[in-house]
Amino acid sequence: TQLLEQSPQFLSIQEGENLTVYCNSSSVFSSLQWYRQEPGEGPVLLVTVVTGGEVKKLKRLTFQFGDARKDSSLHITAAQPGDTGLYLCAGFSGTYKYIFGTGTRLKVLA
Amino acid sequence: NAGVTQTPKFQVLKTGQSMTLQCAQDMNHNSMYWYRQDPGMGLRLIYYSASEGTTDKGEVPNGYNVSRLNKREFSLRLESAAPSQTSVYFCASSEVGESAQHFGDGTRLSIL
Repeated sequence: TQLLEQSPQFLSIQEGENLTVYCNSSSVFSSLQWYRQEPGEGPVLLVTVVTGGEVKKLKRLTFQFGDARKDSSLHITAAQPGDTGLYLCAGFSGTYKYIFGTGTRLKVLA
Repeated sequence: NAGVTQTPKFQVLKTGQSMTLQCAQDMNHNSMYWYRQDPGMGLRLIYYSASEGTTDKGEVPNGYNVSRLNKREFSLRLESAAPSQTSVYFCASSEVGESAQHFGDGTRLSIL
């Protein structure tokens, strides 16, 4: 069974701080996606990474795919209250299936 | 632009009752998915439909059935609801398998 472990599970920080969320697996994925989910809504795609070692930036968010395509990280610079939410990574396991991580719940305090 | 629409948004059932969760997408996507989300467990795939006319089991299919009614609609049926099926259910669609998934806002289901 393929698993994606995310850490930390919960994170509460002050506005302006930096943070990193990790997504790790023993399995290789052909691509990996990051989603953000707000209360009462479905997840919304932030980014897809495909190539080992790839780095993508989305404003203050930086996403990296591990060289071996088994892990990924999300770094947020100068976090803002609007960044609050549940962050989910999802690895494509083939045959139309994505495996979702356990999630990181982020709260940014003003 | 509605995207993915799920109905109902909330439902309370008694053990043993049956119900169908409805999902429709207006993006002309080929693939559709049903997930359940439980605290601390992320999203788990129940069933998926790679294209119209096909359905396949995901990670946790027991106790559920699905129907891909046409390209737009994908329903999830609980034949005899159990308390362990209390969860938030999400429907998603994507253009093809390895592309962005678009999610509905979920159905919050409680089984007493």
